[in-house]
Parts: sequence; C-alpha cells; structure tokens
Amino acid sequence: QKEVEQNSGPLSVPEGAIASLNCTYSDRGSQSFFWYRQYSGKSPELIMSIYSNGDKEDGRFTAQLNKASQYVSLLIRDSQPSDSATYLCAVNTLTSGTYKYIFGTGTRLKVLA
Amino acid sequence: GAGVSQSPRYKVAKRGQDVALRCDPISGHVSLFWYQQALGQGPEFLTYFQNEAQLDKSGLPSDRFFAERPEGSVSTLKIQRTQQEDSAVYLCASSLSGMGETQYFGPGTRLLVL
Repeated sequence: QKEVEQNSGPLSVPEGAIASLNCTYSDRGSQSFFWYRQYSGKSPELIMSIYSNGDKEDGRFTAQLNKASQYVSLLIRDSQPSDSATYLCAVNTLTSGTYKYIFGTGTRLKVLA
Repeated sequence: GAGVSQSPRYKVAKRGQDVALRCDPISGHVSLFWYQQALGQGPEFLTYFQNEAQLDKSGLPSDRFFAERPEGSVSTLKIQRTQQEDSAVYLCASSLSGMGETQYFGPGTRLLVL
C-alpha cells in the first residue's frame, strides 16, 4: 500500500471554477502536511502547509486536514489557466528518528479557458 | 544564497560513466535532502543530511549511489557506473532545521543515461 495516495488525474475544471484536490495517507502519526505545485519541467514550489485539523486559507487556496480520516485536501477557488500544473501532496513522517517527506504521485490539474 | 541551486541542470552520460551532481542549499539551512523523480511520479526520498552528518540514506537505490556534505553546506550526489534506470530528475531540498518544517527545492538536475 502506498503511503500517500493521490488521484493522478487529469482533473479538468473550467476557468473560474473551484478545483478540489485530495490526498490520503497511511501513517497515523504524521504531523505536517504540504501541498506543492510543479509545472512541467520545473521543481516543486510550496503552496500551503498545514499542521492541525481544520481549514487554512491563503488567498485563493484552502488546505483542509482531517487527521482522524487521514485525509488532506487543497481547494483552489476561481481557478485560472495558470493554475494548470501537477499538485503534489507531501506528508512529513518520523521514521527511524528522521523526519522524511513522503510524496504522492501528484494530481495533474487542467484549467480550461 | 537566495535559493537552492543545483548543477549541472542537465547531464547526459553514457552507461557505465560516473556522474557527480552538486547542490548548494539556502544559506543557514541545516538540513539537506536528495530526491529522485521519475517521469510522471512524485519525488522519492534518497538521503538526508543534518549539517555534515548523513542521518538517513535508506532511499539510495544501490551502492552505486553515494552522497556527501563534508562541510555541512554544499552536497554532492555521486552515481557510479550509471545505468539507464538512473535516468531521472534529481532534486535537492533544504530546510532550516529538518524537524518537519518546509523544504525548499532546487531546480533539479535532469540526468539522461544512454
């Protein structure tokens, strides 16, 4: 079983709509969670980090965390064509004394103009 | 520096050749990570340094892979006797302390082994 799972997509949404990206993880002891955006041929760039249950908003982005359900999501409001990218969920897990990022395979988002 | 830098950005190697990939982390960042990203996949952890100490190398795929950070700043990932399956993007990331907080990624080195 993969430790961090994401739907690979592509997820297609029209411009102006809300894009909803989901991620589940297997390690119940995970403490911190991150969403990265990766454009084709580029390196991941941080969008949001979230550490406690509930919602965290930053501009058009909202991260939601539910540790009981081992689920973290990213909502993008008023989606723009420039949001088209792969969104990587990363879960920080303490393994053998080391904090380690475990990434999902990413969800490819397409925002249609 | 302003961000994490990596060199070279692109490397083409013949099978069996040794390669060395360099990472220069953000100034003052204690922790440095190496990842391998295959096409269409998320980054996979390779190894982790805290200052000059390599605390975790559990992700290195074989003994052909070796990483070092001798002075606790710049790191080098070396791949000996490269194989075609080593073709991937190698990402370096750094964080301030490594205790679970945000990692900042460099632009990556795209390695193609022919």
